[in-house]
Amino acid sequence: EVQLVESGGGLVQPGGSLRLSCAASGFTFSASWMGWVRQAPGKGPEWVANIKEDGSLKYYVDSVKGRFTISRDNAKNSLHLEMNSLRAEDTAVYYCAKHPNTYFDYWGQGTLVTVSS
Amino acid sequence: QSALTQPASVSGSPGQSITISCTGTSSDVGGYNYVSWYQQHPGKAPKLMIYDVSNRPSGVSNRFSGSKSGNTASLTISGLQAEDEADYYCTSYSTSSTPSYVFGTGTKVTVL
Repeated sequence: EVQLVESGGGLVQPGGSLRLSCAASGFTFSASWMGWVRQAPGKGPEWVANIKEDGSLKYYVDSVKGRFTISRDNAKNSLHLEMNSLRAEDTAVYYCAKHPNTYFDYWGQGTLVTVSS
Repeated sequence: QSALTQPASVSGSPGQSITISCTGTSSDVGGYNYVSWYQQHPGKAPKLMIYDVSNRPSGVSNRFSGSKSGNTASLTISGLQAEDEADYYCTSYSTSSTPSYVFGTGTKVTVL
């Protein structure tokens, strides 16, 4: 059974940093693209970033370029999202998602990030 | 990277069929057969219902079907059931800037 478990969310002040993690199991992690998708309160989902199987390609939504970094550790079956210079508009539930091709077939339960003073 | 356009709400009675539209541009929906649809119940993570326009993942009811014409994709739910009441989002691969994915604005489906 595929399982994705996010952690690392919390309350952070504007301009602060946070590192999200996602522990994956139940599939060959090193053979799958992975992604982060966020959902602000009362809004629809927004794709944030994705990373190729070996970590050699990474893509980001324009609004987080230069501030967020996606990475993975295939030896530990883990995905990460380093978030810097956080803004109020980054407040959202962040989901880790398995991303085999052009869709997201499994999602974690999400971790809430709140950016507020 | 503008959001794809969906109707805010669609409703139907049990047993009826409903269709949700998802309109984009030639840089996303119209340019690629990479449209997927997600169902989301309150407080839950989205669930994949359709991928690559019309393919159903294993375990998803065949009451759900997808199609595309030009820049508009559609999700049809036939034989509407109470458990189908949820929010639905479309997504498309996009090359409007760097390779990316754009979600739709979302449609609330109500079973009357």
